[in-house]
Amino acid sequence: EAEVAQSPRYKITEKSQAVAFWCDPISGHATLYWYRQILGQGPELLVQFQDESVVDDSQLPKDRFSAERLKGVDSTLKIQPAELGDSAMYLCASSLSDIETQYFGPGTRLLVL
Amino acid sequence: GNSVTQMEGPVTLSEEAFLTINCTYTATGYPSLFWYVQYPGEGLQLLLKATKADDKGSNKGFEATYRKETTSFHLEKGSVQVSDSAVYFCALSDRWSAGGTSYGKLTFGQGTILTVHP
Repeated sequence: EAEVAQSPRYKITEKSQAVAFWCDPISGHATLYWYRQILGQGPELLVQFQDESVVDDSQLPKDRFSAERLKGVDSTLKIQPAELGDSAMYLCASSLSDIETQYFGPGTRLLVL
Repeated sequence: GNSVTQMEGPVTLSEEAFLTINCTYTATGYPSLFWYVQYPGEGLQLLLKATKADDKGSNKGFEATYRKETTSFHLEKGSVQVSDSAVYFCALSDRWSAGGTSYGKLTFGQGTILTVHP
């Protein structure tokens, strides 16, 4: 069964450093999502792509976060500089189209020291 | 805006007990409703879904019925197992439009921790 791949699974960094997370969605899935999940809470959408275009980044802290999906396939989420409050699980999900069920990857757990 | 409210946890049960996790929602329009499960250290897995009123979603012994009149989507299982121990998230997907194109967006509840003891 096809899965959403994410790497790394765990990342420890110091504040003010740059970090990057990678996501490879299920083949053929046009819509890709990045979520942030703070411990004890539900995921919150950071950015949504339809193919290579951003369709919603209203909750993305654009002063430090950036996301791209250059060829409409895999995607990278970057944080620069990282802050202590960025410690969380970063989840990637994909769906066949925007109205279909979302399938989640295993996530990247980030710890900022 | 849209919101999802789940019963507060944690919920602790003995094996073979009956499970109910309450979920209510607020939304404009006609959302689809979902239950996702998250095992320790893993991402979210879709457990079940319902796309319209009175639909019943079911999977692995879990069930939930879309109740529009009470805006609820409560999760139930008749006999839980130790392996069901996880965090359960209720979510809704509603549509929004921009530039003549419509999109879907998931809104999650805060999650309910379930622990099942032998």
